[in-house]
Amino acid sequence: DTEVTQTPKHLVMGMTNKKSLKCEQHMGHRAMYWYKQKAKKPPELMFVYSYEKLSINESVPSRFSPECPNSSLLNLHLHALQPEDSALYLCASSRRTGTANTEAFFGQGTRLTVV
Amino acid sequence: EDQVTQSPEALRLQEGESSSLNCSYTVSGLRGLFWYRQDPGKGPEFLFTLYSAGEEKEKERLKATLTKKESFLHITAPKPEDSATYLCAVQARLTSGTYKYIFGTGTRLKVLA
Repeated sequence: DTEVTQTPKHLVMGMTNKKSLKCEQHMGHRAMYWYKQKAKKPPELMFVYSYEKLSINESVPSRFSPECPNSSLLNLHLHALQPEDSALYLCASSRRTGTANTEAFFGQGTRLTVV
Repeated sequence: EDQVTQSPEALRLQEGESSSLNCSYTVSGLRGLFWYRQDPGKGPEFLFTLYSAGEEKEKERLKATLTKKESFLHITAPKPEDSATYLCAVQARLTSGTYKYIFGTGTRLKVLA
């Protein structure tokens, strides 16, 4: 089973709202990722968690706040977003980040629209 | 600077017309090269991992190869259901000792019946 589950699939939120995206995997992977993808562009890395600790933050604005409650779950808390933050948000996981040759598996994404 | 470039940007093929997609990379010490398929509005679906030059992997109508500077995804006798965006990614090692994946811009493939 190589499944990464993301909820919700679609989300529309106002600029003053607070919402959260959720991601879950049961593959025993110890690295989890958040990516942002705009139309016809490749995924852009936002955050990496390794063994439930934040290891990479790609200079993401503070209106995006990641959280990793345990090794299977990853959240992305959203607050005071801008319309330009509308995108497909992808969660991924891999066995580890400290070694090479480990492929990442992606969820189906959350289509976020900020109005 | 670590970089991944894919070509062509878009490709239209007739059903059964074989072709190849290219992924060229510059990375300090390749640790792995990955191919993904992405359908519109969906997450990337993992296809192949290639570790070293000369390696080849096959899956149905797809075959991925790797040299020291580029990778090819060969599509033999494609069908309309092969239409998708194909993404190439490499693993780059950071100074912290962790790795991140760098994606190319993808090739949008359309196979016509």
